[in-house]
Amino acid sequence: DVKVTQSSRYLVKRTGEKVFLECVQDMDHENMFWYRQDPGLGLRLIYFSYDVKMKEKGDIPEGYSVSREKKERFSLILESASTNQTSMYLCASRTTSSYEQYFGPGTRLTVT
Amino acid sequence: RKEVEQDPGPFNVPEGATVAFNCTYSNSASQSFFWYRQDCRKEPKLLMSVYSSGNEDGRFTAQLNRASQYISLLIRDSKLSDSATYLCVVLRGGSARQLTFGSGTQLTVLP
Repeated sequence: DVKVTQSSRYLVKRTGEKVFLECVQDMDHENMFWYRQDPGLGLRLIYFSYDVKMKEKGDIPEGYSVSREKKERFSLILESASTNQTSMYLCASRTTSSYEQYFGPGTRLTVT
Repeated sequence: RKEVEQDPGPFNVPEGATVAFNCTYSNSASQSFFWYRQDCRKEPKLLMSVYSSGNEDGRFTAQLNRASQYISLLIRDSKLSDSATYLCVVLRGGSARQLTFGSGTQLTVLP
């Protein structure tokens, strides 16, 4: 079974703090993704990566950056957290040959 | 206009009922289509792909109408365990080739 894990289920941070969200997958998938999910807006793509050290902007990259130093790990960084970044963050991965994405359990981030 | 639009519901149906969800997409270059299921406070998981000729998986039937840019999911003989949010998902065409998710339709099956 594919397993995607995220470092925290719940996180509370203060405005202006630097926040790191980590994601690890164990199936040697080339592609990894970070989404945020908000009521009424669905899942929106923040950043994705096709390979180690590769990154591409998604639909809403402003205020975020990412890092992929190893194939299995994809980190999302909030350089200076703001209250409008309070959300559920979901990591996903997939192989190049399939469009089935496997999601992690999510991190609910609250910025106060 | 959103790329993928769904009726948010909620749909509340009795056990055994047949229920249908619809979804429209705006990009005619979209190439592949899926339904994902998301249980409360859980991550989304692939339910089924949607093929041009329509396809069935047990009690679930998916249909695609490319001319109208419309996708549907039919659930027959609803079970309590079908209660979830159903996400319509479209693969963008062109070089992007990323999945675009609808905001989901909430289904509650009542005993």
